[in-house]
Amino acid sequence: ILNVEQSPQSLHVQEGDSTNFTCSFPSSNFYALHWYRWETAKSPEALFVMTLNGDEKKKGRISATLNTKEGYSYLYIKGSQPEDSATYLCAFLGGSQGNLIFGKGTKLSVKP
Amino acid sequence: NAGVMQNPRHLVRRRGQEARLRCSPMKGHSHVYWYRQLPEEGLKFMVYLQKENIIDESGMPKERFSAEFPKEGPSILRIQQVVRGDSAAYFCASSPSGQRTYEQYFGPGTRLTVT
Repeated sequence: ILNVEQSPQSLHVQEGDSTNFTCSFPSSNFYALHWYRWETAKSPEALFVMTLNGDEKKKGRISATLNTKEGYSYLYIKGSQPEDSATYLCAFLGGSQGNLIFGKGTKLSVKP
Repeated sequence: NAGVMQNPRHLVRRRGQEARLRCSPMKGHSHVYWYRQLPEEGLKFMVYLQKENIIDESGMPKERFSAEFPKEGPSILRIQQVVRGDSAAYFCASSPSGQRTYEQYFGPGTRLTVT
């Protein structure tokens, strides 16, 4: 059974703090890693799709890195804002014909 | 450009009834995925469809669950003779391509409650 683990489960930070969380996934048969942002009462929204070892992607204050050899990805948020409060999901894809295996997410709360 | 639409947003069914969940993908998308989120669990893949074809149903329970994506109209996830354990949030997502490196666009979900 393929497992995708995210840590921490939840995180509370103050506005302005920078933060990061981890997604761990199987290091064998890697094909892609997806990151999604999921605000309460809304739909999950794609942030990044990462495919190459060492890849680093950035969107505004949010960035992500990927290490496929050791099976982890970090998501960083610089200068957190209250509107960053959401659950951040990662999803592992093993093989081009595989299906996304989601972690349970990291729930981020940013206090003003 | 309307996003992925799902209806109904909330559905209550008594045990033994049928539940029909609808998903209209984004315009121009011909690939649809269904996911289920049980309480305290992450999103779990159920089925992947293209127009008129089921590509991968490896995540679907063997009985009572079926899915279709007809040439015209929305994709339908059908659950027959619902049981309490079917209570969950059901999400669909669409993409313009079957390549899994494409991001998927999610709908708002249908919350099914079985009483």
